[in-house]
Formats: sequence, C-alpha cells, structure tokens
Amino acid sequence: EVHLMESGGGLVQPGGSLRLSCAASGFTFSSYSMSWVRQAPGKGLEWVSYISSGGGTIYYADSVKGRLTISRDNAKNSVYLQMNGLRAEDSAFYYCARAVVTAGDVFDIWGQGTMVTVSS
Amino acid sequence: DIQMTQSPSSLSASVGDRVTITCRASQSIKNYLNWYQQKPGKAPKLLIYGASSLQSGVPSRFSGSGSGTDFTLTIRSLQPEDFATYYCQQSYSTPLIFGGGTKVEIK
Repeated sequence: EVHLMESGGGLVQPGGSLRLSCAASGFTFSSYSMSWVRQAPGKGLEWVSYISSGGGTIYYADSVKGRLTISRDNAKNSVYLQMNGLRAEDSAFYYCARAVVTAGDVFDIWGQGTMVTVSS
Repeated sequence: DIQMTQSPSSLSASVGDRVTITCRASQSIKNYLNWYQQKPGKAPKLLIYGASSLQSGVPSRFSGSGSGTDFTLTIRSLQPEDFATYYCQQSYSTPLIFGGGTKVEIK
C-alpha cells in the first residue's frame, strides 16, 4: 500500500527550529518528486516547497524562503523540512505529498499531516 | 505569480443536487488544473487532474472541465459523503497555488 507518514511536529517558541520528516512506503520513492503543503487551522491549503526526485531541483514559496529547507534521502525513503526562524504564522498542519507529473506536478498521495505550533 | 480564484466560497445543497464550483486563473494555465476534496480532520484527496481526468477510484459523478483560465468542477448528483471542502490547484508553474476553497454544506 502506498503510504506517507509525517512526524516531528510540536510546540516551538518563535525564532525556534523544528525538523519535519516524511517516511514513504509502498512505491519507488526515488522516482517521485515530493512537496510539503501546509494548512493553518481553519484556513486553506498553502504549498510550501518542492523537491525533484533526485533532489537537484528545489522550489519554495516566498513566505518561507530563507527559513525553511527541503531535503530528501532516497536511501531512507524520506523527505525532510528543516524549519528555522519560526514565526507564529508558520503554525499549521504540515502535509507531505507525492507529486506525479501528468499535467504538471499533481499531488496524488498525501500523508496524514503533522501539527506545528509556534507560540511562546 | 498565478492567482487562483474559486467561487463560491461556500454553498448549501441537498443530496441529489447538481453542484458546480468554478476556479479562475489570473493567466492561462492550459489544462494544468487539479481538484482536491478535503473532509474535516483529513488530508486532501485528489479528484481530478489535468482539468478533466478522473483520478483512479473517484466516482464518476465527479467531472471537471475547462482550459486556459476558467475551470469547473461538477458533482452530478450530490451524495452524503460529498459534503466537504474542495480546492483547485494550478500545476502550470511554481508557486503551485491553491484556490481558497469551496465548502459544500448540507441544506
């Protein structure tokens, strides 16, 4: 069964750091691009970052550029989101999603999400 | 950046109704438009990709149409399990923007 599972969320103070992980199973992880998408409580979906299958192409939303860093380890079937300089507005559920290239990058598989709360 | 405008932001409908949700892009995105369904407390689920292609396992009462800047998601006969929030998303270029969502509620 194709599966994504996020971990690493929690409560962190403003300015703090957190590292999210997403473990993949049931498919050839190294063949797929991955993204992180977040959702603040009661709000809509916001794409955060993208990494290509080999890790050579990376994109970020302007709102997180310079503070969040996406990476992957294909040997461990995992994608990561290093979050530094966290702000209250970064509080959200963070989902990892598999991207399939059909009409552009389409998110066909999603994890269950992990909650990040930035508060003093 | 390409902006995505969804309408309406919410609607009330009855089981059996035909429901239409629209999504407009600020510039042409060809057919690089996808639709997702999200239920409370759950991750989004892909329904339609490439504007009109039905994702495997999704009921045929869901359909998508459009190209360029104007797109539509139609639910032919609304079922109880379809009450949820629906999002469009452009996959033409980064940033991969989502629409603001349409919440479909029970009338």
